[in-house]
Amino acid sequence: DTAVSQTPKYLVTQMGNDKSIKCEQNLGHDTMYWYKQDSKKFLKIMFSYNNKELIINETVPNRFSPKSPDKAHLNLHINSLELGDSAVYFCASSQAGLTIYFGEGSWLTVV
Amino acid sequence: SQQGEEDPQALSIQEGENATMNCSYKTSINNLQWYRQNSGRGLVHLILIRSNEREKHSGRLRVTLDTSKKSSSLLITASRAADTASYFCATDALETSGSRLTFGEGTQLTVNP
Repeated sequence: DTAVSQTPKYLVTQMGNDKSIKCEQNLGHDTMYWYKQDSKKFLKIMFSYNNKELIINETVPNRFSPKSPDKAHLNLHINSLELGDSAVYFCASSQAGLTIYFGEGSWLTVV
Repeated sequence: SQQGEEDPQALSIQEGENATMNCSYKTSINNLQWYRQNSGRGLVHLILIRSNEREKHSGRLRVTLDTSKKSSSLLITASRAADTASYFCATDALETSGSRLTFGEGTQLTVNP
């Protein structure tokens, strides 16, 4: 009965590869997010979708492309991975912009 | 730009003591929230305080908000070893109401048994 689930939890890949992280929420929320947490634990929003529509797109390289097939899913695809993309990526959801429910994170290591 | 800044960055106390963490922010807000992150896990919501509230309690947690100083504090009373985690404040800014939360840099709390 996990509220926000994301896969994979760990991902080690080589520079230049393309990878995807999937996210699903079963809370019935309208808004979903992707956050990036760096090695200093700084958490920064990347994207936000409301009812499948993109509402926030922070200054993120266009190698990152979110896709929301329906309001319960928000996947993150990353092209041409770089060393600096190594981080923890958190999917999250909320209703009416209040409490955010986070997934457990996806640890991406680019080597 | 970073909205919330937390102080201290790290705090180490003994079990049973109280822990106080502070958060400062820059813009006007709708609400301020505190989250907890255990090592290797996602963030978990602890408490939300609205801009028209000054103090809120939840179990051993007490949150204060001073909008004139743009600051908030989180007090954990009678701490336990299981409270060891990173604590983040997050603000819902008026100008972007409801569309995002901006997180502070976090305070790493260590409670020693």
